[in-house]
Amino acid sequence: QSALTQPASVSGSPGQSITISCTGTSSDVGGYNHVSWYQHHPGKAPKLMIYDVSNRPAGVSNRFSGSKSGNTASLTISGLQAEDEADYFCSSYTDRRLYVFGTGTKVTVL
Amino acid sequence: EVQLVESGGGLVQRGGSLRLSCSASGFTFSTYAMHWVRQAPGKGLEYVSVISSNGDTYYADSVKGRFTISRDNSKNTLYLQMSSLRPEDTAVYYCVIVPGIAARWFDPWGQGTLVTVSS
Repeated sequence: QSALTQPASVSGSPGQSITISCTGTSSDVGGYNHVSWYQHHPGKAPKLMIYDVSNRPAGVSNRFSGSKSGNTASLTISGLQAEDEADYFCSSYTDRRLYVFGTGTKVTVL
Repeated sequence: EVQLVESGGGLVQRGGSLRLSCSASGFTFSTYAMHWVRQAPGKGLEYVSVISSNGDTYYADSVKGRFTISRDNSKNTLYLQMSSLRPEDTAVYYCVIVPGIAARWFDPWGQGTLVTVSS
């Protein structure tokens, strides 16, 4: 299973909005509404930010939102804050009843 | 509260072996599939292995034949026996669960355990 494709880096100024893409195939992202997003600060445990494309777990800021179109899912962070600077990974359920992760995106707050 | 605590990582030479453990609490361990995911330095996450509640297993091609996943339901512990280790196995290893029968995401995550394979 090939990794999902994400941009290596995305940056934005405080208060701006940024969007991270996650591109797969019809066997994963395009075939299921089971895309999740994780925030990872180095040295800490990854944190679930979005599940099933667009759902936020309790406690996650509503500045984080998810969507999907075809084989590409997206994570949008609005009102960018310094604390949002981290690595972000997407993941998708697949037609092999397994999971595949994205290549990861480093978000920098300028 | 669900907790997953990985241990057993360390420095090992190429060709060596290591056994990782994941101690689980806060849920009925025996009824959940348990997964191992790893992240090599500067790389993305890689799905490594899974063991179902009834013992069925899956391995990524990169570790097949070298790694063995197992579980001890009496101890609420997941294991990953790694042998014939290669420098490219250097990574932080996480054990994770999918938190429900209808769920298709991983939550929570532990801090992971670092495995370093020297050449």
